[in-house]
Amino acid sequence: GAVVSQHPSWVICKSGTSVKIECRSLDFQATTMFWYRQFPKQSLMLMATSNEGSKATYEQGVEKDKFLINHASLTLSTLTVTSAHPEDSSFYICSARPPSGGAREQFFGPGTRLTVL
Amino acid sequence: AQSVAQPEDQVNVAEGNPLTVKCTYSVSGNPYLFWYVQYPNRGLQFLLKYITGDNLVKGSYGFEAEFNKSQTSFHLKKPSALVSDSALYFCAVRVIISGNTPLVFGKGTRLSVIA
Repeated sequence: GAVVSQHPSWVICKSGTSVKIECRSLDFQATTMFWYRQFPKQSLMLMATSNEGSKATYEQGVEKDKFLINHASLTLSTLTVTSAHPEDSSFYICSARPPSGGAREQFFGPGTRLTVL
Repeated sequence: AQSVAQPEDQVNVAEGNPLTVKCTYSVSGNPYLFWYVQYPNRGLQFLLKYITGDNLVKGSYGFEAEFNKSQTSFHLKKPSALVSDSALYFCAVRVIISGNTPLVFGKGTRLSVIA
């Protein structure tokens, strides 16, 4: 089946620094990738949708200047949390969708736990 | 706008008993419905999906779900629960508007299977 990887799996950083999270589709080309954020014991909240070679579409309330998304190739999307603060601590999950298939289900990465001190 | 409701935060069931995790949805259009499971500090694992056809869908690990259009429900079921089924379960819906429409998730239901 389709595999999506994320790196790193966890990261601890100081307040004010920037953190980059990578999402890769390992065995398929993903024209569309999604970034979700999950708070403890809560659901996944969609942050943004990215398409290869174009700007990401952010959900209402998500600061695009703070959460920079780059989808430079069909197998890689990156999320950079700029000037991170403790309230950005969360579990970030990416998801990728292959271009073929009617339902085009989404495949999820294992997640990245970010802790900002 | 599309939305998913999982009315139960927690479901407790004894090992060997049948389990049901409830899900209702609200969409304008034909829904594609999914169930995912999440283990601690892990991403989501796909269980099953309803696209079209038979309302009873069978998925991974012995789980099944029944699509009920009149009740707008897609409850997850398993005839005999295992302790290893204990996890967080998410129902999700998607309506095909364009290639970019994402899955919308319910808030999740924590299943606890007691030995």
